[in-house]
Amino acid sequence: GAVVSQHPSWVICKSGTSVKIECRSLDFQATTMFWYRQFPKQSLMLMATSNEGSKATYEQGVEKDKFLINHASLTLSTLTVTSAHPEDSSFYICSARSSTGYNSPLHFGNGTRLTVT
Amino acid sequence: RKEVEQDPGPFNVPEGATVAFNCTYSNSASQSFFWYRQDCRKEPKLLMSVYSSGNEDGRFTAQLNRASQYISLLIRDSKLSDSATYLCVVNGGQAGTALIFGKGTTLSVSS
Repeated sequence: GAVVSQHPSWVICKSGTSVKIECRSLDFQATTMFWYRQFPKQSLMLMATSNEGSKATYEQGVEKDKFLINHASLTLSTLTVTSAHPEDSSFYICSARSSTGYNSPLHFGNGTRLTVT
Repeated sequence: RKEVEQDPGPFNVPEGATVAFNCTYSNSASQSFFWYRQDCRKEPKLLMSVYSSGNEDGRFTAQLNRASQYISLLIRDSKLSDSATYLCVVNGGQAGTALIFGKGTTLSVSS
């Protein structure tokens, strides 16, 4: 089946630093990837839609200058949390579709657990 | 109103029980519907897609009522391994191509 790899699985950083999270589609090409965030006991919240070769589409309330998304190739999207603060501590997870059309399900990476101290 | 709403539970049932989860969605233009399963501190995994005519996959049956904007999941003969959080999912987002998740319904199956 389609595989999405996310790295790192967990990261601890100091307040004010930036953290980059990578999301790769290993056995398929993904023109679109999606970034979600999940706080404890909450639902997955869509942050942005990452588009290969163009700007990401951010959801309402998500700061595009704080959460930088780059989708430079058909198999890699990155999310950079800039100037991280403790309230950014969360579970970040990416996903992609292995086939076109929004009727197909998403395949998820294994997530990145970010802790900002 | 939230885009996807679910009863959070928890549902505590014995092995062998039949349990049903309900979900409502707010966007009448939604076209794609799924149930995902999420285990504690793990990524969500697709359980099944939901089709207009209803569909079944083993012990799991999904139903969709577009007029009422209502989705259901029925689990028969519950197993211990069914214990998880079940997420109701519809397409949406700014671009309409992403998936929007409900908060999930927690199921705990005991022996």
